[in-house]
Amino acid sequence: ETGVTQSPTHLIKTRGQQVTLRCSSQSGHNTVSWYQQALGQGPQFIFQYYREEENGRGNFPPRFSGLQFPNYSSELNVNALELDDSALYLCASSFSRTSGGADEQFFGPGTRLTVL
Amino acid sequence: DAKTTQPPSMDCAEGRAANLPCNHSTISGNEYVYWYRQIHSQGPQYIIHGLKNNETNEMASLIITEDRKSSTLILPHATLRDTAVYYCIVRVGAGNMLTFGGGTRLMVKP
Repeated sequence: ETGVTQSPTHLIKTRGQQVTLRCSSQSGHNTVSWYQQALGQGPQFIFQYYREEENGRGNFPPRFSGLQFPNYSSELNVNALELDDSALYLCASSFSRTSGGADEQFFGPGTRLTVL
Repeated sequence: DAKTTQPPSMDCAEGRAANLPCNHSTISGNEYVYWYRQIHSQGPQYIIHGLKNNETNEMASLIITEDRKSSTLILPHATLRDTAVYYCIVRVGAGNMLTFGGGTRLMVKP
């Protein structure tokens, strides 16, 4: 059983650019959540995808968008990068039941994004 | 989700029990208490969760007070590898969003 993987591990971009981060969910998981963690702070929820549909979003602007693919892998896209977007971006996968309820989330190692 | 309050930092001697407190006085009846930890430069790791009964697994024990307004995570024999930030989170079990606070930075010392 492979765990959650993320790519790339590190990334440097400049203000105004666009970035795509990728996440491969743990085998058997159908739900992926993305979090942003600024230095010295706890992770902040960005959004969640369940069966390829966004079904929850935190307090992040529309320039943060995502996709979940049929194999349950996922992408986080950020447009018009700002300096404050510099952070560790974490992906977490879990299995959600259609009847409600979810197991615990398994996090990947994160992608460290630096915006200059 | 209810708000949680944790001390910002704690020290523990290696081999001793680490007791990490969490206050969640506004917890609702259907909210669970979850604990995650984050070792430096890694993603958060699930430890344990509970509703009202005390819980134990291979990593830790969770003690929830009878009124559910506070809980304690217990690492029975702390090792240097338990040095991490520990997050106490309360949430409705059916949801997936985790609301992280500042957590407690636990330093296990030799």
